[in-house]
Amino acid sequence: AQTVTQSQPEMSVQEAETVTLSCTYDTSESDYYLFWYKQPPSRQMILVIRQEAYKQQNATENRFSVNFQKAAKSFSLKISDSQLGDAAMYFCAYRRIQGGSQGNLIFGKGTKLSVKP
Amino acid sequence: EAQVTQNPRYLITVTGKKLTVTCSQNMNHEYMSWYRQDPGLGLRQIYYSMNVEVTDKGDVPEGYKVSRKEKRNFPLILESPSPNQTSLYFCASSFIPTYEQYFGPGTRLTVT
Repeated sequence: AQTVTQSQPEMSVQEAETVTLSCTYDTSESDYYLFWYKQPPSRQMILVIRQEAYKQQNATENRFSVNFQKAAKSFSLKISDSQLGDAAMYFCAYRRIQGGSQGNLIFGKGTKLSVKP
Repeated sequence: EAQVTQNPRYLITVTGKKLTVTCSQNMNHEYMSWYRQDPGLGLRQIYYSMNVEVTDKGDVPEGYKVSRKEKRNFPLILESPSPNQTSLYFCASSFIPTYEQYFGPGTRLTVT
């Protein structure tokens, strides 16, 4: 079974600085999707960025980018120019593409990010 | 507007009193799923559905039931709620096999 591990329960960053959140996963599959979701105090789950495992190029969405290391099964999120609105819980998630339970998301336990003014 | 709706948003109930949390999506998605979120545990899948009349257990299905009689609706049923089912519940939907799941706003359930 696939597992997702976020080793940093809490992180803190100064406004305008850069922070990196870590995520590792375990799978025997070769093709899958990886995601980072943001959950602000409103509790809404917001998709931040996604990465297809077959793509070698790291995904980027404005100030958010990932470092996808397939062989190491690592998927870290980098937030540049941090803003107060980035303060939230961040979840890393894995989604299989083929076979049974297709489409199911497997989440890590989350990293709570604080942004200091 | 494309969205997933859940009702109620907040619910306080007592042990053993049957309840249903509704979930509806207007995007014609085949795939729908329920998750529960507990502090320190992330989100865990309860049940999912690949299409109408096709449902299957997730990681934590005990104490829950679901049904999928219509494509847009996927209610979560707690026949005899217990305090350990106090949690934040999310419904989500997506096309298959695309990657993006759309989440509802969440339902905060407290069982006393």
